[in-house]
Amino acid sequence: KQEVTQIPAALSVPEGENLVLNCSFTDSAIYNLQWFRQDPGKGLTSLLLIQSSQREQTSGRLNASLDKSSGRSTLYIAASQPGDSATYLCAVIRLTGGGNKLTFGTGTQLKVEL
Amino acid sequence: ETGVTQTPRHLVMGMTNKKSLKCEQHLGHNAMYWYKQSAKKPLELMFVYNFKEQTENNSVPSRFSPECPNSSHLFLHLHTLQPEDSALYLCASSQPGQQETQYFGPGTRLLVL
Repeated sequence: KQEVTQIPAALSVPEGENLVLNCSFTDSAIYNLQWFRQDPGKGLTSLLLIQSSQREQTSGRLNASLDKSSGRSTLYIAASQPGDSATYLCAVIRLTGGGNKLTFGTGTQLKVEL
Repeated sequence: ETGVTQTPRHLVMGMTNKKSLKCEQHLGHNAMYWYKQSAKKPLELMFVYNFKEQTENNSVPSRFSPECPNSSHLFLHLHTLQPEDSALYLCASSQPGQQETQYFGPGTRLLVL
């Protein structure tokens, strides 16, 4: 059974700092990996999707990497801003006959302080 | 906005009540999902529907009954729930494909007394 772990569970940083969020998974037979952000009281917003054949994806100040062999992914946030404060979730995606299935980690709660 | 709406946003019900959660997507997707998010636990997939057919039931108790009348609407009927069923219930939709991304609604916060 796939297990996804995110470290740290919570993180507080001053504005402007670069930071790294970690995600590890136990079964490397994944199809894709996706990072989401969840704001309090709201649903999930997709940030980056990395296909299993790729090693990284970038969007603005965000860069996500994927190392399938070691079962790890990282989300790098450059020059953090208070608006980045949210819970960040990583999900590994497995392709099934009934569509893609996501297995989520428990998330990293990020607070960026002024 | 993600194009996926959920109603109600908040719901309080007793263990003997019957209620329904509604999800609607305006994205033209063919797959819809129900997830449960409990405190301190990862999101758990509950049900998957592809082209209105249920393709996944992740060992969900029968007190949760999904219904998908068409590709745009998804319901979760609730009856005789337990306090441990209190959670955030999220709906998502996607268009199956290699770069498939699931789009999530804002969720329904459910409290069972």
